[in-house]
Amino acid sequence: QSALTQPASVSGSPGQSITISCAGSSSDIGTYNYVSLYQQHPDKAPKLILYEVTNRPSGISPRFSGSKSGNTASLTISGLQAEDEADYYCSSYTYNDGMVFGGGTKLTVL
Amino acid sequence: QVQLVESGPGLVEPSQTLSLTCTVSNASINRGPYYWSWIRQHPGKGLEWLGYIYASGNAYYNPSLRGRLSLSVDTSKNQFSLKVTSVTAADTAIYFCARAGDTQIWSWGQGNLVTVSS
Repeated sequence: QSALTQPASVSGSPGQSITISCAGSSSDIGTYNYVSLYQQHPDKAPKLILYEVTNRPSGISPRFSGSKSGNTASLTISGLQAEDEADYYCSSYTYNDGMVFGGGTKLTVL
Repeated sequence: QVQLVESGPGLVEPSQTLSLTCTVSNASINRGPYYWSWIRQHPGKGLEWLGYIYASGNAYYNPSLRGRLSLSVDTSKNQFSLKVTSVTAADTAIYFCARAGDTQIWSWGQGNLVTVSS
């Protein structure tokens, strides 16, 4: 069982926006603004898309954005494109347990 | 751009020790502040952080696996390594090495599938 809870799947049509929730607790997301999002295409290594909730690494599209409220982070992809179809994993820093991940969300672009 | 490449046996017998090495290119392990990390992914499943080691040799482990994990670093070879003792089928996974900051993983290796089976 993953420390963070994500929906198993989400879907959307090209051009639409989707949001992936990432629910944690007061021990992780609720206390620290250290939520990251990783994108993983089939048979590939994960890739960092967002860090510290809202920051994008160099080269990542501004279509990816993040926010946080209480113990839950929300990660939004706007203007969906076919290439966005992938698995997405959130993670958070925790003081006692190091880095914890969500179970992953499969994004399908219809 | 930093490159990380995992190497090691793809098959390990139950109760034995799994050993993997990560070779880092285009960056020096000695230059920080980075944490040299291991993450694994069970087939078709999610990600699990195993631990990380700093260039100084200080290591931090996932509490759920502490006691079975050992990380080491060889700065002269620009490599770091993972050992998992007393493996079972539950340790079958793709093992990724990575370069991490304090709270996020910046760069990943391509992954090394390790199967535990006799």
